[in-house]
Amino acid sequence: EAQVTQNPRYLITVTGKKLTVTCSQNMNHEYMSWYRQDPGLGLRQIYYSMNVEVTDKGDVPEGYKVSRKEKRNFPLILESPSPNQTSLYFCASSLERVGGGEKLFFGSGTQLSVL
Amino acid sequence: DQQVKQNSPSLSVQEGRISILNCDYTNSMFDYFLWYKKYPAEGPTFLISISSIKDKNEDGRFTVFLNKSAKHLSLHIVPSQPGDSAVYFCAAIIYSGTYKYIFGTGTRLKVLA
Repeated sequence: EAQVTQNPRYLITVTGKKLTVTCSQNMNHEYMSWYRQDPGLGLRQIYYSMNVEVTDKGDVPEGYKVSRKEKRNFPLILESPSPNQTSLYFCASSLERVGGGEKLFFGSGTQLSVL
Repeated sequence: DQQVKQNSPSLSVQEGRISILNCDYTNSMFDYFLWYKKYPAEGPTFLISISSIKDKNEDGRFTVFLNKSAKHLSLHIVPSQPGDSAVYFCAAIIYSGTYKYIFGTGTRLKVLA
């Protein structure tokens, strides 16, 4: 089954304790991206990757890191989480096609609480 | 600066009637527009899209209309069903060397049985 898998689904942590949220897709998609969803703000892009070893900042990259060592995986790293990073996080992927309007496939989300 | 706006946070509609969800945008360079549906505890799923060179796209009960002069997008659901109750996000894609998605804030639709 084609899917984007995120882990964990729920995570409670404390300020400053490094954490990683994993994301994996089995559709051979080139494009992967991380979003956070906050009330009244919709989905905002954190980082994206056009292909292996190619990553770039989205709209709200501060406090986050990513890596893309393999095509299928795109982990999101919070080196020193803070309470303002408490949010619902989504990983997404798509085929990258020039001007093609490719739809995104989303994971089920990770609800992160930073105390 | 919110380039894609959904000004109605919520909407209630009777089963069988039409649901109309609206979206306004500010950037005339957007190439594609898409609608996503999100149920609680799930990720958003793609619903329907429209190219900026078209003014209408239809898929079953779902139709998206694009009014470029007004920079306005709408999603029509006819007839509405209780299973359509969800949060709907409008999104726009702009391509300039790389492509970027910009999402609206979402509208929660409740279809009453």
